[in-house]
Amino acid sequence: DVKVTQSSRYLVKRTGEKVFLECVQDMDHENMFWYRQDPGLGLRLIYFSYDVKMKEKGDIPEGYSVSREKKERFSLILESASTNQTSMYLCASLTSGGNYEQYFGPGTRLTVT
Amino acid sequence: EDKVVQSPLSLVVHEGDTVTLNCSYEVTNFRSLLWYKQEKKAPTFLFMLTSSGIEKKSGRLSSILDKKELFSILNITATQTGDSAVYLCAELIQGAQKLVFGQGTRLTINP
Repeated sequence: DVKVTQSSRYLVKRTGEKVFLECVQDMDHENMFWYRQDPGLGLRLIYFSYDVKMKEKGDIPEGYSVSREKKERFSLILESASTNQTSMYLCASLTSGGNYEQYFGPGTRLTVT
Repeated sequence: EDKVVQSPLSLVVHEGDTVTLNCSYEVTNFRSLLWYKQEKKAPTFLFMLTSSGIEKKSGRLSSILDKKELFSILNITATQTGDSAVYLCAELIQGAQKLVFGQGTRLTINP
């Protein structure tokens, strides 16, 4: 079974803090993604990575950065957290080898106060 | 940027009813269309559709893609309370290998 894990299920941070969200997948997938999910807006892509040290901006990259130093790990960084970044954050991985099932982690519910 | 639109956004039915959820997409870089079910946690994969007119089926759930009219439907027959969830469709973008998601349909099945 593909397993995508995220470092925290729930996180509460203060405005201005630097926040790290970690995601690890164990299926040697090339592609990894960070989404945020908000009511009425569905899943919106923040950043994705198709290889180690490679990253691409998604639809809403402002206020975020990412790091992919190893194939299995994809980190999302909020340099200075703001209240409008309160959301559910979902990490996902996807193989590029013909079977395009995307597997999601359990999500991190981040609250910025 | 390709856009995916789902309808309805919310649906409430009684147990035993049949429901049809809709998903329309733009074609610029289409590769495949995927359906997910999301309950309290992360989305779980249901179907991937690449060819037009071929129905995919899993138990009471089925889905089909119409590449001419640029839409897909997800049917659930004999609904059960456990079918209550948000159903997401997503377009897999050719080349970029990323998914563009619709807003989701929140389905509630009342006993």
